[in-house]
Amino acid sequence: NAGVTQTPKFQVLKTGQSMTLQCAQDMNHNSMYWYRQDPGMGLRLIYYSASEGTTDKGEVPNGYNVSRLNKREFSLRLESAAPSQTSVYFCASSAGMLGGQETQYFGPGTRLLVL
Amino acid sequence: DAKTTQPTSMDCAEGRAANLPCNHSTISGNEYVYWYRQIHSQGPQYIIHGLKNNETNEMASLIITEDRKSSTLILPHATLRDTAVYYCIKSAGGTSYGKLTFGQGTILTVHP
Repeated sequence: NAGVTQTPKFQVLKTGQSMTLQCAQDMNHNSMYWYRQDPGMGLRLIYYSASEGTTDKGEVPNGYNVSRLNKREFSLRLESAAPSQTSVYFCASSAGMLGGQETQYFGPGTRLLVL
Repeated sequence: DAKTTQPTSMDCAEGRAANLPCNHSTISGNEYVYWYRQIHSQGPQYIIHGLKNNETNEMASLIITEDRKSSTLILPHATLRDTAVYYCIKSAGGTSYGKLTFGQGTILTVHP
């Protein structure tokens, strides 16, 4: 099992450009998450998908959109990138149980630089 | 909902036990305590979690006080590879779906 995979590993964008970060998991998990991590900070939740077909906002959703393409894949889109979105983006997945008592598995991250 | 409180940094000698404290005085009855670590900007890695009983797995032990207001993660024989940022997290619980709220964590440095 590859676990959680993310593409690309690194990306440089100019202000105003758009891009989509891809995430896939092969653990048959129901729930998936997108976090961002700024230098010296902990992770902050952007969006999550409790199950296929549903998405919800997290702590810092502004400037982002998400798509739960199927059970395996959860993408994060920046429609018009801004320098404030320079960060490391992590995708995670979990089995998906009401009550939230479960382990999340994280991907290796995508490092995004917006000039 | 207040996050947990952890020391900013700690040191530990290789081969000794590393004891990482965490304060979660506002924890509610259905919230678990989770510990994750992040090595050198990799994705966070799950370590252990517990509700009210002490827990042990192949990586670590988790000691939770009787009033559940604090806990300690114990790495019994720390190695250089255990150098990482350690996050103590309360799970959102209730009707949420496993959302985690990360603080700034404790930077653990294991030295020879």
